[in-house]
Amino acid sequence: QVQLQESGPGLVRPSQTLSLTCTVSGDSISSGDYCYNWIRQPPGKGLEWIGNIYDNGKTYYTPSLTSRASISLDASNNQFSLRLNSVTAADTAFYYCARGLGTVPMDYWGQGILVTVSP
Amino acid sequence: DIQMTQSPSTLSASVGDRVTITCRASQNINIWLAWYQHKPGKAPKLLIYKASSLDYGVPSTFSGSGSGTEFTLTINGLQPDDFATYYCQQYNRYPWTFGQGTKVDIK
Repeated sequence: QVQLQESGPGLVRPSQTLSLTCTVSGDSISSGDYCYNWIRQPPGKGLEWIGNIYDNGKTYYTPSLTSRASISLDASNNQFSLRLNSVTAADTAFYYCARGLGTVPMDYWGQGILVTVSP
Repeated sequence: DIQMTQSPSTLSASVGDRVTITCRASQNINIWLAWYQHKPGKAPKLLIYKASSLDYGVPSTFSGSGSGTEFTLTINGLQPDDFATYYCQQYNRYPWTFGQGTKVDIK
């Protein structure tokens, strides 16, 4: 059974960098043509896709975050990560990681982690 | 970016009702549409991909249809566990985008 779990600090200071990791268990992160996604949901709002990375290293981002977001893979630890620079209160949200394959965009999801940006 | 618009934003229904949610894309996305169910404090759950393919373990009371720019999610015989927020998401073109969500609550 594939499982994903987000981890990282729950509080980040404004202008600092948000760093989250998603650990994949039950399958190797490099075992197929998967894509690994980050999605967020600000409190009381809808879902926003942040970006993803394929196992060949190709990345895609939503335009509003392209200049601040970076997604990377760590096959040795079966993890992938999100870094978001220069955060503001608007980046306060539940952050989810998710895996997709082929024609199935995001079928396995982590439980989510709340990140608050506050002084 | 491709804009996804869901209607209605909120829907009040009773157990046993047939519920239909509509999702419209601002441009042709062929069949590259997914539907998710989301409950507070839980991970979103994939229900349908490729517009009409049911994900593993999803009850057959859920069905999806459509292609191009107009899509529907139908729940036949609403169950207590189905009260949640539903999102459509296009993956025809980057950036992937979600609809704003449809909350299904108890009438």
